[in-house]
Amino acid sequence: EAQVTQNPRYLITVTGKKLTVTCSQNMNHEYMSWYRQDPGLGLRQIYYSMNVEVTDKGDVPEGYKVSRKEKRNFPLILESPSPNQTSLYFCASRQTGNSGNTIYFGEGSWLTVV
Amino acid sequence: AQSVSQHNHHVILSEAASLELGCNYSYGGTVNLFWYVQYPGQHLQLLLKYFSGDPLVKGIKGFEAEFIKSKFSFNLRKPSVQWSDTAEYFCAVTRRSGNTGKLIFGQGTTLQVKP
Repeated sequence: EAQVTQNPRYLITVTGKKLTVTCSQNMNHEYMSWYRQDPGLGLRQIYYSMNVEVTDKGDVPEGYKVSRKEKRNFPLILESPSPNQTSLYFCASRQTGNSGNTIYFGEGSWLTVV
Repeated sequence: AQSVSQHNHHVILSEAASLELGCNYSYGGTVNLFWYVQYPGQHLQLLLKYFSGDPLVKGIKGFEAEFIKSKFSFNLRKPSVQWSDTAEYFCAVTRRSGNTGKLIFGQGTTLQVKP
């Protein structure tokens, strides 16, 4: 079954304590991306990756880092989380080659920073 | 800059009522258009998408959307809603040119269907 898997699904952490949200896809997709969802703002792209070792900033990259060492994995790193990073995070992936290829989303990770 | 605007932030309907959710985008080039649905506590699911061809697109669960190029619109419709349609709905756009695949989302519309 085609899947994008995120972990953890729910996390409460404290300001400044580094955390990583993992994302893994089993569809051999080149393109992966992270979004955050906030009320009234919809989803906004944080970072994306066109392929292994190729990453770029989205619209709201501040406070986040990513890496793409393997095709299937695209972790999101918060080096020093702050309360304004409390949000619902979605990882997504798709096949490249056609800008209309369906994007698959993970189930979301609820992050609360206190 | 590319943007997507959803006119209705919160819609409340009774079962069997007809639904139309507005979506407008701003981009002069060719686009791909999507509607996603997010049921409470769940992830985004694709309802329907438009790439080219017939501007009236049919999706899952009885939803349809019409692309009107001259109005830069892609409104979502359903003739008769059910309580199970209660969810948040997102319109999204990607540019046809280039290959970043970046989805630009609207702010979302929360639909509440009363039984």
